[in-house]
Formats: sequence, structure tokens, C-alpha cells
Amino acid sequence: GNSVTQMEGPVTLSEEAFLTINCTYTATGYPSLFWYVQYPGEGLQLLLKATKADDKGSNKGFEATYRKETTSFHLEKGSVQVSDSAVYFCALSNAGGTSYGKLTFGQGTILTVHP
Amino acid sequence: ETGVTQSPTHLIKTRGQQVTLRCSSQSGHNTVSWYQQALGQGPQFIFQYYREEENGRGNFPPRFSGLQFPNYSSELNVNALELDDSALYLCASSFHGEPKALHFGNGTRLTVT
Repeated sequence: GNSVTQMEGPVTLSEEAFLTINCTYTATGYPSLFWYVQYPGEGLQLLLKATKADDKGSNKGFEATYRKETTSFHLEKGSVQVSDSAVYFCALSNAGGTSYGKLTFGQGTILTVHP
Repeated sequence: ETGVTQSPTHLIKTRGQQVTLRCSSQSGHNTVSWYQQALGQGPQFIFQYYREEENGRGNFPPRFSGLQFPNYSSELNVNALELDDSALYLCASSFHGEPKALHFGNGTRLTVT
């Protein structure tokens, strides 16, 4: 079956530090990969996505590259801000058949950024 | 554009009771998926509804059931509540065939005592 493993948190950084959150996956076929962010008291928001190998997703200064050879989709940001403090989830989807709405999520990584 | 809305936002129930959670999909979306997010965990897929029928299900027992209505809104029903059902329940909508554009609501926080 599908599974997603994220680096254990929480992660605590100072403002303007470099961020990496590791994500590796196990899946059949060629899944699409996602990063979602969850702010306190809110639902999940799509941060970025990549649908095939070597694609790079990017949004709001965050980037992640779909690496099929290492089955990874690590999230990076060059300079974090206090407003980036949230929980980050890596997820995958095998599109097709009955799987259209089914995402498999990692356990989440809590990021706290201090001024 | 109206986003995904869920009601109620919070709910407290007693073990053995039944609960109904509601979700209005984003305008233009015809598919609704439900997820359970236990504290400190990632969301777990419960099931998806399309054309008013269940269209895919995760590893949840039959006491978790759902409905989708002609206006694409949806309900999640849980019977015989257990303490472990305490979680944030998330609804997500999308347009069938475009799984890369799931939009989530803010969730319903269910506490079972």
C-alpha cells in the first residue's frame, strides 16, 4: 500500500533561517505528490504539488522536487518567517479509478519560527 | 467563489451516541471526501462521494457512513461512538477527474466522552 514518512518534529528555527522538512514515500505506479500546510484552528491548504518525476513545485518561497530515484519530496525554503509557523503535511495520490479524492498523508511536522 | 464549509465547528458526544457532520462543497465541485485527523496525526481517508454514491473507502468500519445530496453537499454519520472517534473531521471537495485540486474545510472537532 501507499505510505508517506516525514521527518520527526517539531522543528524550531529563527527567522530567516533555511528550512528543510524531509519526506519519503512508498507507492505503486506514479503518484502525484503534495505539501499541505495547516495553521492553528484551520483546515489544510495546498502549498505546492508535483505530478511527475523531476517536477519542482513552488509557492510562497517554498520548493520541493519530485525525486523518483530516491522516492523523496523534501520541502525547502531559503528564509523562513514567523508567519510560516504551522504544521506541514506531505501527501501522495494515485489518481484514477476510485482513488481520485484519496490522499495518503504523512504524520505532519510542526514548524515554529521565532523572531 | 464559496469555499468548503463544515458544521458544526465543535461537538461533544457521549460514547454510544450517534453524530452527523455536514459539509457544503466549494461551488463548481461535485466530489466530496471525508478525512479523520486524530490529535498529532495526519488525516486518514474515510470515504469519497460522487454522484450521490460512495466512490472509494478507507479502512473504517461500517458504522461510518455518508450521504451526498443533489447539490453536492454531504453528511458524515458515525454510529455507536467510541472514545477513539474523538478527532478533527475534515471534508474536502474537488471536481471529479481532477484529484490534484482538493479543497479542505476547517473541520469539525468531535469529542467523545
